[in-house]
Amino acid sequence: DAGVIQSPRHEVTEMGQEVTLRCKPISGHDYLFWYRQTMMRGLELLIYFNNNVPIDDSGMPEDRFSAKMPNASFSTLKIQPSEPRDSAVYFCASSLVSASTDTQYFGPGTRLTVL
Amino acid sequence: RKEVEQDPGPFNVPEGATVAFNCTYSNSASQSFFWYRQDCRKEPKLLMSVYSSGNEDGRFTAQLNRASQYISLLIRDSKLSDSATYLCVGLDNTDKLIFGTGTRLQVFP
Repeated sequence: DAGVIQSPRHEVTEMGQEVTLRCKPISGHDYLFWYRQTMMRGLELLIYFNNNVPIDDSGMPEDRFSAKMPNASFSTLKIQPSEPRDSAVYFCASSLVSASTDTQYFGPGTRLTVL
Repeated sequence: RKEVEQDPGPFNVPEGATVAFNCTYSNSASQSFFWYRQDCRKEPKLLMSVYSSGNEDGRFTAQLNRASQYISLLIRDSKLSDSATYLCVGLDNTDKLIFGTGTRLQVFP
């Protein structure tokens, strides 16, 4: 079975541009998570969904960030407008039945550079 | 105080050595703890869950000390392939996973 799939793997953009990151979770998993990882702050949870419904978006840094999950097999994280401080690796993860007790399976990440 | 704190290392150890990492957590109500492993420029992967009674998986042993609010990971007979960053994970007060910033291990020949 394929793992979590993310695209693109690398994204280089200029400040002010819109960036859209995509994720396909493992089939059958009820939970989907978006994380951001930087050297300074480590791995931070941005938002997570349960059965396509956003449950907790308290980690979303500001209104420039938005996430959607239109169906069980697809989610997007959008940054508009992007800023250099958004440069990071963005991971999507999914888990089967719980946000707190279940293994989270991570995708390979999208390495975002905003110039 | 950070919710989950780890010594960033790096821990440089020879092959065959035993190495231990500790991680402290602030949420005394947390019921779930994990160790994840992250290789350079790769995604984190679950290494093992940490149970109240402690648990062992081959060369790896995880322990939980609730009184002092820390978890530990012991690696025996280190291999070159153990070189990675080890992320300690607990729960915050809303039951979301909180990742530590990781402890880097480098095993040398």
